[in-house]
Amino acid sequence: DAGVIQSPRHEVTEMGQEVTLRCKPISGHNSLFWYRQTMMRGLELLIYFNNNVPIDDSGMPEDRFSAKMPNASFSTLKIQPSEPRDSAVYFCASRWQGDRTGELFFGEGSRLTVL
Amino acid sequence: GDSVTQMEGPVTLSEEAFLTINCTYTATGYPSLFWYVQYPGEGLQLLLKATKADDKGSNKGFEATYRKETTSFHLEKGSVQVSDSAVYFCALSEGDKIIFGKGTRLHILP
Repeated sequence: DAGVIQSPRHEVTEMGQEVTLRCKPISGHNSLFWYRQTMMRGLELLIYFNNNVPIDDSGMPEDRFSAKMPNASFSTLKIQPSEPRDSAVYFCASRWQGDRTGELFFGEGSRLTVL
Repeated sequence: GDSVTQMEGPVTLSEEAFLTINCTYTATGYPSLFWYVQYPGEGLQLLLKATKADDKGSNKGFEATYRKETTSFHLEKGSVQVSDSAVYFCALSEGDKIIFGKGTRLHILP
């Protein structure tokens, strides 16, 4: 079975440009999480969805960040406009909401560099 | 709010040495506790978990015991290998959210 699929794996862009990161969760999973990883701050939870509905977006840094989940098999994280401090690895992860002790499955991440 | 604190790295050990990575947590309820591992260029993957006090999680020679009285979940391995070099994350799950520590980078020298 395919795991969590993220695209692009690498993105280099210039400050001010719009960035869209994409995620396809594992089929059957109904919880989806977006995390950001940096050396300074470690792994930060940005937002999570249950059944395509955003539940907690308190980790989203500011209004430049937005996330959507239009259906059970697709989510996007958008940054507009991007800034150099947004450079990080962004991970998407999914699991079955009904098992809160269950494993969280991660994608391989999208490494973003904003020049 | 809930949080996880783990020892800062990097930790450098020789092959076959004993490993301990400390992890403590704060939580309002009764969380499940996890250790995840991240190999270079990859996402995190579950290493082991414990869902209630005094439970011991184990996998691939790693162990951790859920200690409610000390709010700890320390990771141990009796004899590390070069292939164990990675970043290790302690995490807790209470309700829907999963909160991670900052990670501890482990280097094993041959």
